Amino acid sequence: TQLLEQSPQFLSIQEGENLTVYCNSSSVFSSLQWYRQEPGEGPVLLVTVVTGGEVKKLKRLTFQFGDARKDSSLHITAAQPGDTGLYLCAGNSNYQLIWGAGTKLIIKP
Amino acid sequence: DAGVIQSPRHEVTEMGQEVTLRCKPISGHDYLFWYRQTMMRGLELLIYFNNNVPIDDSGMPEDRFSAKMPNASFSTLKIQPSEPRDSAVYFCASGTGRAGTEAFFGQGTRLTVV
Repeated sequence: TQLLEQSPQFLSIQEGENLTVYCNSSSVFSSLQWYRQEPGEGPVLLVTVVTGGEVKKLKRLTFQFGDARKDSSLHITAAQPGDTGLYLCAGNSNYQLIWGAGTKLIIKP
Repeated sequence: DAGVIQSPRHEVTEMGQEVTLRCKPISGHDYLFWYRQTMMRGLELLIYFNNNVPIDDSGMPEDRFSAKMPNASFSTLKIQPSEPRDSAVYFCASGTGRAGTEAFFGQGTRLTVV
């Protein structure tokens, strides 16, 4: 069974701090996606990483795909209350999306 | 583009009743997915369609669950009879290309079975 483990499961920090969340697996993925889900809404795609070692930036968010394409990280610089939400990673394996359980992030003003 | 549209947004029903959830995918998308999300199990894929044909229903929990896609613009997920353990948020998502590519999600239906 393929698993994607996300850590931490929950993170609550003050506005302005930096943070990193992780998505790890023993399986290789052809690509990996990060989604953000806000309360009462469906997940919304933030980024897709495809190449091992790839780094993508989306404003204050930096996404990295591991060299072996088994893991990924999301780093947020100077977190804002608007970054609050559930962050989900999903790995593409044999054209199926394998989902992590998510990191619930709360940014306190 | 209106995005993926799901109805109803909330459904409260009694155990044993039939429940039908509805989904209108984004026009032009050839993949449609039904997911269930709970605190305990996270996001689970129930079934997905390609060009209106069910491709993989291995995630459907049991025979009480069924899904149809009569045309490219409409899909239903039916639970009959419903049970309290079916309480969850059910999402419909659509996409293009392969099943492992980006999925666009609806706002979900929060189902409560009492």
